[in-house]
Amino acid sequence: KQEVTQIPAALSVPEGENLVLNCSFTDSAIYNLQWFRQDPGKGLTSLLLIQSSQREQTSGRLNASLDKSSGRSTLYIAASQPGDSATYLCAVDVGSNYQLIWGAGTKLIIKP
Amino acid sequence: DTGVSQNPRHKITKRGQNVTFRCDPISEHNRLYWYRQTLGQGPEFLTYFQNEAQLEKSRLLSDRFSAERPKGSFSTLEIQRTEQGDSAMYLCASSPRSLAGWVTDTQYFGPGTRLTVL
Repeated sequence: KQEVTQIPAALSVPEGENLVLNCSFTDSAIYNLQWFRQDPGKGLTSLLLIQSSQREQTSGRLNASLDKSSGRSTLYIAASQPGDSATYLCAVDVGSNYQLIWGAGTKLIIKP
Repeated sequence: DTGVSQNPRHKITKRGQNVTFRCDPISEHNRLYWYRQTLGQGPEFLTYFQNEAQLEKSRLLSDRFSAERPKGSFSTLEIQRTEQGDSAMYLCASSPRSLAGWVTDTQYFGPGTRLTVL
């Protein structure tokens, strides 16, 4: 059974720092991995999607990497800003009718 | 088109009552998903539609839960005889048809319906 873990559960850093969020999964047989952002009381916004054949994806200040063999993905946020404060979740597609298996998220606070 | 919409945004009900939520996906998205999310947890998959066909149901979806997607457009999720354990955020997402059969496109989420069962 696929399990997705995100560590740490919460992270607080000063504005301007570069930071890395971690996601690990137990079964390397995935079709893709996605990173989402969730603001309090709101739905989820997709940030990056990495197909199983890819190693990384970039969008602006965000870079996500994928290492299937080790069951790990990282989300790198450069030059963090207070507006980056949110909960970041990763999810893996295990190919069962496009079901996503989710981590519990990392709550990120960027202090001005 | 402004994205996936869900109504109502908040619902407070008494235990034992029935509730129905509506999701309007992005037009032309043939795939629609329902998830449930409790505080501090990631979403849990409930069910999936491709057009009007319900192709997958989680074991979390007890017989008190039913979902429909008539005509392959909007979808409704009904919970009968609500219980306090049903209190959660119910999220709907849609995604377009992929060019390659097994490749998943990004899922676009609505703002969710927060259910509180007293």
